[in-house]
Amino acid sequence: KQEVTQIPAALSVPEGENLVLNCSFTDSAIYNLQWFRQDPGKGLTSLLLIQSSQREQTSGRLNASLDKSSGRSTLYIAASQPGDSATYLCAVSTQGGSEKLVFGKGTKLTVNP
Amino acid sequence: GAGVSQTPSNKVTEKGKYVELRCDPISGHTALYWYRQSLGQGPEFLIYFQGTGAADDSGLPNDRFFAVRPEGSVSTLKIQRTERGDSAVYLCASSLSGQGNYGYTFGSGTRLTVV
Repeated sequence: KQEVTQIPAALSVPEGENLVLNCSFTDSAIYNLQWFRQDPGKGLTSLLLIQSSQREQTSGRLNASLDKSSGRSTLYIAASQPGDSATYLCAVSTQGGSEKLVFGKGTKLTVNP
Repeated sequence: GAGVSQTPSNKVTEKGKYVELRCDPISGHTALYWYRQSLGQGPEFLIYFQGTGAADDSGLPNDRFFAVRPEGSVSTLKIQRTERGDSAVYLCASSLSGQGNYGYTFGSGTRLTVV
């Protein structure tokens, strides 16, 4: 059974700092890995999608890497801003069948002005 | 539509009542998913539709939960005899094909509270 773990559970940083969020998964047989952002009381916003054959994806100040063989992904946020404060969720799409997403519990990020 | 639409956004119901939650996916997306998110947890898979058929319902917790997608577009999640433990945010997502080649677009969710 696929399990996804995110570390740390919460992170508080001053504005302008570069930071890394970690995600690990137990079964390397994945189709893709996706990072989402969730604001309080809201749905999920997709940030980056990495296919299993890719190593990384970049969007603006965000960079996500994938090491499928070791079951790890990182989300790098450069020059953090207070508007980046949210919960960040990592999810893997399992192979075989529905390609449903298995989520971690998320990392709650607070960027202080 | 431009995004995935879920209605209602909030639903409060009494224990034992029946509720229906609606999801309107992005036009042309054949894959539709329902997830449930409890406080402080990541979303958990409930059911997946490919077109009109439920291709994977392994996440439904028990037979009080049922979902339909009769025309391959709008889906309704139905919960019978609601219990307080059913309180959660119910999220719907759609994808172009469900083949893992495309990302997923989520709706804003329905917050269900059973009192």
